[in-house]
Amino acid sequence: QVQLVQSGAEVKKPGASVKVSCKASGYTFTDYYMHWVRQAPGQGLEWMGWINLNSAVTKYAQKFQGRVTMTRDTSITTAYMELTRLTSDDTAVYYCARDGYTYGQIDSWGQGTLVTVSS
Amino acid sequence: QSALTQPASVSGSPGQSITISCTGTSSDVGGYNYVSWYQQHPGKAPKPMIYDVSNRPSGVSNRFSGSKSGNTASLTISGLQAEDEADYYCSSSTTSSTVFGTGTKVTVL
Repeated sequence: QVQLVQSGAEVKKPGASVKVSCKASGYTFTDYYMHWVRQAPGQGLEWMGWINLNSAVTKYAQKFQGRVTMTRDTSITTAYMELTRLTSDDTAVYYCARDGYTYGQIDSWGQGTLVTVSS
Repeated sequence: QSALTQPASVSGSPGQSITISCTGTSSDVGGYNYVSWYQQHPGKAPKPMIYDVSNRPSGVSNRFSGSKSGNTASLTISGLQAEDEADYYCSSSTTSSTVFGTGTKVTVL
């Protein structure tokens, strides 16, 4: 069965960067895209972008352009999301999520990684 | 892209049917049939309930159904049960991007 296991919670200072990992198993890694979605405390879901796990081509939401980088390592079936120049507004649970249906529609989610930005 | 508009809350009694709307524009909901719905219980990751406007993933109850008319998509839950109490989010995708709805809290009275 499809499993997406994310790295653990992080606490960062304003201005720092964070890199979240997402280890995939149970399917052919490079056959799918991976999305990253975040959810601030008590708020809704926010799409950040996707990475084609085969070609490494990425598409980022305009809001995060210049601050986010999505990468992958096919040898260990792991996707990464790095966010730089963190502010308190970036405090959120970050999810990786597999695009398993047609465009942009998610069929599997990681367990989420809480990133807290605080001085 | 602006978030799709959903009602903040919808409630119903056990056994009743409720419908959650998801309103976008001709550039998202109205232009593509890549509409999904997700259920999220507190502290949990979202769970896909509908994709491609009206398709149910394997294992999802047939009490959940989706539809679309123009720029508005809808999720209907029939035979409401206590376990359906959760937050629900729609999403609409193009070939390059995705936008989520504002979310709806469903309360079972």
